[in-house]
Amino acid sequence: AQSVTQLGSHVSVSEGALVLLRCNYSSSVPPYLFWYVQYPNQGLQLLLKYTSAATLVKGINGFEAEFKKSETSFHLTKPSAHMSDAAEYFCAVSYTGTASKLTFGTGTRLQVTL
Amino acid sequence: DTAVSQTPKYLVTQMGNDKSIKCEQNLGHDTMYWYKQDSKKFLKIMFSYNNKELIINETVPNRFSPKSPDKAHLNLHINSLELGDSAVYFCASSHSPTDTGELFFGEGSRLTVL
Repeated sequence: AQSVTQLGSHVSVSEGALVLLRCNYSSSVPPYLFWYVQYPNQGLQLLLKYTSAATLVKGINGFEAEFKKSETSFHLTKPSAHMSDAAEYFCAVSYTGTASKLTFGTGTRLQVTL
Repeated sequence: DTAVSQTPKYLVTQMGNDKSIKCEQNLGHDTMYWYKQDSKKFLKIMFSYNNKELIINETVPNRFSPKSPDKAHLNLHINSLELGDSAVYFCASSHSPTDTGELFFGEGSRLTVL
C-alpha cells in the first residue's frame, strides 16, 4: 500500500531561518507527491506537486521541494521562514496520480519564532 | 466567494444523536469527498462521489451516510453519534476522480460528541 512518512510532528524555526520539513514515501513505482498546508481553522490548500516532470518543484509562498528517487524523499524547504508560515504541513502520495487516491502523512506543525 | 463551503463549522452534540453536515462547491468540479481528521491531525478519506455517484466508500461505519443531490453538493449524515466520531470533517472537491491530485478543501466542520 502507498504511504508517506513525515519525520517530526513539530518543527520550530526562527524567523528568517531555513525551513526543512521531511517526507519519505514507500514505493516500488514512481509516485505523484504533494505538499498541502493547513493554516489554523482552515482547510488544506495545495502548496506544490510533483508529477514526474522536473525533480525540483516550486510552489506558492516561496516553498519548493525536491524529488529524490534514490532516497525516496520529497522534502519541503523554504530559504527564509516568515511568521505567516506557521501552519500544519501535510505530505501526500498518489501512485495513480489521481485525486481520489491520495494518502496523507500525519502532518508536521511548523512554528516560527521571533 | 467561497469555493468549497461547509455548514455548520462547529457542532456540539450528545451521544446517540443524529447530525448532518452540508457541503457545496461552486468550482464546477465533478468529484467531491469527505475526509475525517482526528485529534492527531491524521487525515483519512471516507467517501467520494463523482457526478452524484458513489465511487469511494472506505471502511466507515454504516452510521455514516453520504448523499449527493447534485454534483455541487455532498452532505454527510451521521446516526447514533459516538464519542469516537469527534473529529474535524472536511469536504473537498476535484475536477474529476482522475485529476492529478489537487483537492480543494472546505474549512472543516468540527464535531464534538459529549
